[in-house]
Amino acid sequence: GQQVMQIPQYQHVQEGEDFTTYCNSSTTLSNIQWYKQRPGGHPVFLIQLVKSGEVKKQKRLTFQFGEAKKNSSLHITATQTTDVGTYFCAEANGSSNTGKLIFGQGTTLQVKP
Amino acid sequence: EPEVTQTPSHQVTQMGQEVILRCVPISNHLYFYWYRQILGQKVEFLVSFYNNEISEKSEIFDDQFSVERPDGSNFTLKIRSTKLEDSAMYFCASSVNRVNGQPQHFGDGTRLSIL
Repeated sequence: GQQVMQIPQYQHVQEGEDFTTYCNSSTTLSNIQWYKQRPGGHPVFLIQLVKSGEVKKQKRLTFQFGEAKKNSSLHITATQTTDVGTYFCAEANGSSNTGKLIFGQGTTLQVKP
Repeated sequence: EPEVTQTPSHQVTQMGQEVILRCVPISNHLYFYWYRQILGQKVEFLVSFYNNEISEKSEIFDDQFSVERPDGSNFTLKIRSTKLEDSAMYFCASSVNRVNGQPQHFGDGTRLSIL
């Protein structure tokens, strides 16, 4: 079935350091969405990428979609303790058209103050 | 900002018992979903629901599971005879439509513990 692979599983950084999580698929992705889940919380939508090579920024967060639409990345510049949480990529719909999200395994970010 | 609300926040049930998890999606949303997340793992799709019927279900969503929108506001997930492996966080989500680009709004979840 559809699978979205995400690495690394965990990342510990010192506050102020950068952080990147990567999402990969063996098949072409129709789109990629990114969600953040704070500890004990629920996934919260961050952004969606649809076009090949697309780059979007939200303050210190930079999201990229690969040229072949098989990979995506989320980069956080100068992490803060408020960035702590698990970041998930997800493909919406995929081979179906029902809106379902296929999530990657997530990258859990810990930030040491 | 409108929210998806879920009740209860925590449900403890004996194995073999039936449970009903409740959700109130955002009022103008038309597409509804259930996901589950086993502790420390990824979020897994269970079922999508539109126009009072299931539009897609995953392999996890077997005959023990059912969904219903009984009154136009609530959206429920029923597990008929719970198993130990059903222990997980269950999230309800809704979206305005299913077109690519529509974010899904998640509730706070129900933590289901099967004893």
